[in-house]
Amino acid sequence: SQQGEEDPQALSIQEGENATMNCSYKTSINNLQWYRQNSGRGLVHLILIRSNEREKHSGRLRVTLDTSKKSSSLLITASRAADTASYFCAILPISSGSARQLTFGSGTQLTVLP
Amino acid sequence: EAGVAQSPRYKIIEKRQSVAFWCNPISGHATLYWYQQILGQGPKLLIQFQNNGVVDDSQLPKDRFSAERLKGVDSTLKIQPAKLEDSAVYLCASSEGPGGGYGYTFGSGTRLTVV
Repeated sequence: SQQGEEDPQALSIQEGENATMNCSYKTSINNLQWYRQNSGRGLVHLILIRSNEREKHSGRLRVTLDTSKKSSSLLITASRAADTASYFCAILPISSGSARQLTFGSGTQLTVLP
Repeated sequence: EAGVAQSPRYKIIEKRQSVAFWCNPISGHATLYWYQQILGQGPKLLIQFQNNGVVDDSQLPKDRFSAERLKGVDSTLKIQPAKLEDSAVYLCASSEGPGGGYGYTFGSGTRLTVV
């Protein structure tokens, strides 16, 4: 399967703590993206990291990518109750032509307790 | 800028009935995607359009699902006849170019319940 697989499936932490989610995949990628989905809503793009990048930051988010291990991690620092959501990694495989698209994993459900 | 618009938000139908979903992508986004998300799972691609042409429909159950994108803008996804296992959220997304090298923008989705 080309899709990313997140770990853990569910994570529950206290407000103010850091949350780390991992993603593993099996194919060569152009980039890897993380999305958030609040209950009953669409997915929101959080951050994109290209295959030649190792780390990227956006606000309280930090993403790392290890292409040799085919894995990525998403760190949310100083978590808030509003961060409660499902988080998905999605991979864009290397492919010629326009017939390529993001493949999503099954997500990590993050619960931040106040 | 306006986001990706989808309608309806919710739909309940009986099995063997037909249903249609509508999507209006972000203006200027050439690539449009329909994903199916079953409860507790990640989104799974059904079909990808580039302008008004189909780029990839390899995972679309063509015996019951059809989709079109007229004039390279709005798109409709139809299911006929619906089965119980079609109960899911149907998400439309768009991106500036093929493959989403800058990320996708998703609509809020249509939650379909087949009873």
